[in-house]
Amino acid sequence: QSVLTQPPSVSGAPGQRVTISCTGSNSNIGAGYDVHWYQQLPGAAPKLLIYSNTNRPSGVPDRFSGSKSGTSASLAITGLQADDEADYYCQSYDRTLSGSTVFGGGTKLTVL
Amino acid sequence: EVRLLESGGGLVQPGGSLRLSCAASGFTFSNYAMSWVRQAPGKGLEWVSSISFTGSNTFYADSVKGRFTISRDSAKNTLFLQMNSLRAEDTARYYCAKDRGMATDPPDGFDVWGQGTMVTVSS
Repeated sequence: QSVLTQPPSVSGAPGQRVTISCTGSNSNIGAGYDVHWYQQLPGAAPKLLIYSNTNRPSGVPDRFSGSKSGTSASLAITGLQADDEADYYCQSYDRTLSGSTVFGGGTKLTVL
Repeated sequence: EVRLLESGGGLVQPGGSLRLSCAASGFTFSNYAMSWVRQAPGKGLEWVSSISFTGSNTFYADSVKGRFTISRDSAKNTLFLQMNSLRAEDTARYYCAKDRGMATDPPDGFDVWGQGTMVTVSS
């Protein structure tokens, strides 16, 4: 059971917009710690998608965006494409767990 | 090209030990914090351990504390994970990951990942 809660699955049709939530608490996201997002394609290593809540690394399309408010964060994907089908994970830091980086449980995105 | 290459995984009996290595190339290894993240078959990502850029600060998940030791050799651009007293629940693919920054508490985002090395703990 992760301290960061994500929906197990989301889905959308090509071209649509989907959002993935990451809900934490006042000891992690709500304490002001940054949230990072990763995409893991089937059989591949994770890839950094969004860092420090809202920033995209070079090469990540602007169809991907991140936001944070209070004790939660969200990843939005617009113009959904078939190759967006993957697992998505949020990551933050929890001050009650000594030195702990924490990941959300992951969300499986299915493109219908 | 920025690259991380893990090695050292394999099949080990419960109670046994393994030492994982992660060879870094294409960036100044000594300037960045590094971490190990694992993924059990069919499961999500689990942070295992992190080390600061100097190696002076190390952090562990409760699930591995006292059994695993992270270290780094900046002369060899290599990250290590010594795993002792292995359990069945340690079975996973172990990824080495580079942090965007020097410290790891909190992390700045892991911007480079290796392909992982599989560890199977079974009799």
